[in-house]
Amino acid sequence: QKEVEQNSGPLSVPEGAIASLNCTYSDRGSQSFFWYRQYSGKSPELIMFIYSNGDKEDGRFTAQLNKASQYVSLLIRDSQPSDSATYLCAVNTGGFKTIFGAGTRLFVKA
Amino acid sequence: EAGVTQFPSHSVIEKGQTVTLRCDPISGHDNLYWYRRVMGKEIKFLLHFVKESKQDESGMPNNRFLAERTGGTYSTLKVQPAELEDSGVYFCASSPASQGNIQYFGAGTRLSVL
Repeated sequence: QKEVEQNSGPLSVPEGAIASLNCTYSDRGSQSFFWYRQYSGKSPELIMFIYSNGDKEDGRFTAQLNKASQYVSLLIRDSQPSDSATYLCAVNTGGFKTIFGAGTRLFVKA
Repeated sequence: EAGVTQFPSHSVIEKGQTVTLRCDPISGHDNLYWYRRVMGKEIKFLLHFVKESKQDESGMPNNRFLAERTGGTYSTLKVQPAELEDSGVYFCASSPASQGNIQYFGAGTRLSVL
């Protein structure tokens, strides 16, 4: 079992729709959870982080965490073609070592 | 403010040769990390420096890899001798002491070992 699992996609949504990206993790001791966006050939860019159960909103992005289910998700409202990228879920189990999922490719169709 | 910079952006070498990758973190960031992504796989942690000290090198694959951060500023990652399976993208990230979990990534060095 992978430590951080994501559906590789591609996930295709029409412009203006809500994109829902999901991630599960195996280590119950995980403490910090991150979503990175990576455009092709570019560096991963941190877009959201969440530490506590529940929802955290930042603009069009909402991160959701459920530690009991070991599940974290990212919702992108009003999806734009510029949101098309690979989204990486990452988990920190303590210290600063970060475990990444393989990423989900998102396509937003104009 | 300059971001994390990595050099070179792409390196092509033959099996058995030596390659040195460089990372310049964001100025003032005490934490520096190396990661690697091989073809089709997830980004994997290699090691973590706090200033010039290696805090965690549990992800280093073998003793052909040597990372240094003399003076606690830039870091180098040397692969000697390189093998075919070392091909991939090597990312560097840095974070401030106050927010170690918030890591800023460089664009990576794509290493191709032929």
